[in-house]
Formats: sequence, C-alpha cells, structure tokens
Amino acid sequence: DQQVKQNSPSLSVQEGRISILNCDYTNSMFDYFLWYKKYPAEGPTFLISISSIKDKNEDGRFTVFLNKSAKHLSLHIVPSQPGDSAVYFCAASAESSGNTGKLIFGQGTTLQVKP
Amino acid sequence: ETGVTQSPTHLIKTRGQQVTLRCSSQSGHNTVSWYQQALGQGPQFIFQYYREEENGRGNFPPRFSGLQFPNYSSELNVNALELDDSALYLCASRNNIPSSYNEQFFGPGTRLTVL
Repeated sequence: DQQVKQNSPSLSVQEGRISILNCDYTNSMFDYFLWYKKYPAEGPTFLISISSIKDKNEDGRFTVFLNKSAKHLSLHIVPSQPGDSAVYFCAASAESSGNTGKLIFGQGTTLQVKP
Repeated sequence: ETGVTQSPTHLIKTRGQQVTLRCSSQSGHNTVSWYQQALGQGPQFIFQYYREEENGRGNFPPRFSGLQFPNYSSELNVNALELDDSALYLCASRNNIPSSYNEQFFGPGTRLTVL
C-alpha cells in the first residue's frame, strides 16, 4: 500500500511563477514531513521539513503547508527558477511512535521550470 | 563538514552473486539508513543502524544485511542477487537526538545492475 502519494508525475511552470507540488498521505501516525529535491546522478537533497504541530514552514522561496485533517501537504516555490527543475519527493515518518528515521517516500514529481 | 559519501558509484553483478556497498556518514552523524530506489519510484527504506545495531527494518528479505562501524560508517550486503535488485542504493545519515526531529542527508548513491 502506498502510504505517501504524489499524484502528479510531472509539472511545468514558467520562470517567475509559483510552483505547487502536492502530496497526500494515509497514515495518521505520521508526524514529520520532508521535501527532497533530486537531480539526475545525485542523491536527494533536503529542502524543507515540517512537524505535525505546525501548519506552515517557510525557508526563503520554499514554503511547506500541512493540512492534517485532509492528510495533505504541499510545497510552494516562489518565484520558480530554471535551476529548480528536478524531481521532488515528499517523505513522511512516524517519529513519535518509534519509527524514527524510517522515511516513507512518494513516487516523486518532475518539475520543469521554463525560461 | 564532509557530506555523505558512497562507494562504488556503479557496479555490475550477475544473478546469484553477493555485493557489498559502503557508506561514510556525514561528520557528527551517528545514525545511518539505507534505501533502495527503483527506476521511476521513490526511495524505499531498507534498514537503519544506530550505535552499531539494526534499529528498524523495512520490507526486505534477510539476504539484505548491514553493518555499522564505530566510526559510524556502514555497509550494505546483499546475498544471492536477483534481477529485481537492480536499483540505486542510497545511504542517508543523521544525528539521532531524542525528542527532536532531525532530517536525513543522502549520499549520491550506488547504481547496482544485476545481469
């Protein structure tokens, strides 16, 4: 069963516009969520995280929103830049229930930012 | 600060053989996790090591085993290789601090091809 889902395999946006990447999860025990960016031939790079006690976390151009009742989170990138073109993975873990460090990943969304 | 490093970069094996992949964790990190990423999928958690002991395991058979050494470096061993083991193997490290959320940092991965 896919506990973390990224239903959009790809997204294309114009440079300067907002990119919104979505992620849904099913396990209510998840209490820590992360976004990673991955370029070809490289490992995932940590972008931003949020714990379940918050509903928003911001870091520069990146903002993550968490809607616990809907079991949904999203990553907003504003403004989008061509260098943001990569595969974005959403990940979740159930830290409080002892599964520390076990990240469950979505399938990824390929973002293309056009100049 | 040295990041997570993995060796080798690429590896080709034949079915039935055994393989050992290596990982050096980021400086100051005491916990190492291994993930398998098949083509077009998100990374899947194999297991985690903390204080040289396995501390959590995903849905992988016993022929996937590991070690963590006193300097926090780690090995992933896979016996009796199968064609489906062909994937990118990622190592991630973090500092396991109780009662806090700590993101994992990934290495570049080892691309394993089983023929």
